[in-house]
Amino acid sequence: ETGVTQSPTHLIKTRGQQVTLRCSSQSGHNTVSWYQQALGQGPQFIFQYYREEENGRGNFPPRFSGLQFPNYSSELNVNALELDDSALYLCASSLKRGLPEQYFGPGTRLTVT
Amino acid sequence: AQTVTQSQPEMSVQEAETVTLSCTYDTSESNYYLFWYKQPPSRQMILVIRQEAYKQQNATENRFSVNFQKAAKSFSLKISDSQLGDTAMYFCAFPYYNQGGKLIFGQGTELSVKP
Repeated sequence: ETGVTQSPTHLIKTRGQQVTLRCSSQSGHNTVSWYQQALGQGPQFIFQYYREEENGRGNFPPRFSGLQFPNYSSELNVNALELDDSALYLCASSLKRGLPEQYFGPGTRLTVT
Repeated sequence: AQTVTQSQPEMSVQEAETVTLSCTYDTSESNYYLFWYKQPPSRQMILVIRQEAYKQQNATENRFSVNFQKAAKSFSLKISDSQLGDTAMYFCAFPYYNQGGKLIFGQGTELSVKP
């Protein structure tokens, strides 16, 4: 059984640019959530996808958007990057919508300069 | 509003000793789950233990156990026989179903296990 994987591991972008982060959910898991974790803080929920549709969203602006594909993998897109977007971005999957346990990937460290 | 509070930013413990990390939460729900996650320097968030609110018995996973006080909305994590590999950030988390089952995390407690 393969766990949650994320790519890339880390990247550096310039303010104003756009970035796409990728996540493959754990085998058999159909629900994917994304979190932003600033340094020294707990993760903050961005949104969740279930069967290719957004299933809940946190307090993040529309320039944070996502996709889920038929194989349940997911992308997080961030447009018009700002310095405050520098953070660890975590992807988590759960076996199905409504189950409370979420299993996390290793994260992508994004630095915006 | 659903909130999770961890009031101990940092803690340290000697190897082989016992340490307790505190967590309080606020919710109007009657049936829910609570989790403790561990995040070592490798950054991977690992589920340590879970508690179902309708169960009166405290959850236990090997050296990890919880003290769940539903009326007080308290959910502490006890680590027995601490090991160097327990050094990590520990987060208390609460799933909020009104927003797609998102996890609400506390601020975290940085635990250092000293040899």
